[in-house]
Amino acid sequence: QQQVRQSPQSLTVWEGETAILNCSYEDSTFNYFPWYQQFPGEGPALLISISSVSDKKEDGRFTIFFNKREKKLSLHITDSQPGDSATYFCAASIPTGGNNKLTFGQGTVLSVIP
Amino acid sequence: EAAVTQSPRNKVAVTGGKVTLSCNQTNNHNNMYWYRQDTGHGLRLIHYSYGAGSTEKGDIPDGYKASRPSQENFSLILELATPSQTSVYFCASGGGGAEQYFGPGTRLTVL
Repeated sequence: QQQVRQSPQSLTVWEGETAILNCSYEDSTFNYFPWYQQFPGEGPALLISISSVSDKKEDGRFTIFFNKREKKLSLHITDSQPGDSATYFCAASIPTGGNNKLTFGQGTVLSVIP
Repeated sequence: EAAVTQSPRNKVAVTGGKVTLSCNQTNNHNNMYWYRQDTGHGLRLIHYSYGAGSTEKGDIPDGYKASRPSQENFSLILELATPSQTSVYFCASGGGGAEQYFGPGTRLTVL
């Protein structure tokens, strides 16, 4: 079963708009949530992350909002640029004594139209 | 610059053949991981390792073996490749924190 779910599967926004990517999870023991950005032909790259003790994390145009009670989080990309067009993965980690395995969602494909 | 590299970048194999995918990291990380990526599934963990000499099963280990002969190298082995193993495979390394750093991927096609 899918422990981390993302929506929508694909999203198209105009340049300058705010893109909102959603993520939800099932296991309440998850305590670290990174978002990865992947361009075609490349491996995923860490974009921004949040721990379960915070409800918001901001890095430039990228902001994560986290709702622990509802087990939901979202990635907001403000002033979207064509260069932001990529696949975005939400992931979650369970502490396992030093080896932080990640469980990934299925990804959201973002297209930003100039 | 610290990096994760994978070889080969592309591989075509025949059903029933043996395939070895290699990964090298210069991050000096203890942990290494093998994932496969398929449309609609995101990245799924196949095997991982805590350090040289150790391998652990991930979420989808069936049909795969792993080998960690050194801190820097981690291999994924398909003893009897099947068409269902056609996918893009990613290696990653991670230190004591939760961040993982990914290689560029290997596209495997099993005919």
